[in-house]
Amino acid sequence: EPEVTQTPSHQVTQMGQEVILRCVPISNHLYFYWYRQILGQKVEFLVSFYNNEISEKSEIFDDQFSVERPDGSNFTLKIRSTKLEDSAMYFCASMQGGGYEQYFGPGTRLTVT
Amino acid sequence: LAKTTQPISMDSYEGQEVNITCSHNNIATNDYITWYQQFPSQGPRFIIQGYKTKVTNEVASLFIPADRKSSTLSLPRVSLSDTAVYYCLVGVPNSGYSTLTFGKGTMLLVSP
Repeated sequence: EPEVTQTPSHQVTQMGQEVILRCVPISNHLYFYWYRQILGQKVEFLVSFYNNEISEKSEIFDDQFSVERPDGSNFTLKIRSTKLEDSAMYFCASMQGGGYEQYFGPGTRLTVT
Repeated sequence: LAKTTQPISMDSYEGQEVNITCSHNNIATNDYITWYQQFPSQGPRFIIQGYKTKVTNEVASLFIPADRKSSTLSLPRVSLSDTAVYYCLVGVPNSGYSTLTFGKGTMLLVSP
């Protein structure tokens, strides 16, 4: 069964550093998402991406965040200058078409020290 | 998006049927009801989606009464591996921009 993959599984970085989280969505999917989940809290939507542009973003997704689909397979989330409060599990998801059946990756645990 | 209310936690034993009810009094005509499951340290996983009456797949059943103000996710004969958080979401799924808004979900603990 096809699946969404994410790398790295765990990233430790110092405050103020830039990080790039990588995702490979399912190959025939058209819609891509990033969510995050702070330990013990809800899964929160960050951004959705379709047709090579952001289609929706939450208030969490400020100027420190950016997304890119640099080629036909990867989907990345960049945090320019990490803060302690960015420590969370970051999930990538993809969806083939209209609907609610999004496929989530295993997540990247980001720890900012 | 319609607000949903579900129990914070539930306990069960292996082999039992578990029913998790979600209230969504303000559900709109075009809204569907979708359930996701999340194991610890993993991403959420789609379980089932329905609009009215009953939907069944290999994992679960979803019961939706005629007024659609609530729904019940039914897990037959649970095992220890069904221990997870279960989320009820309500919204219109026919848009590619279908961002998911998760609540706190129901933490199901299955014991031997």
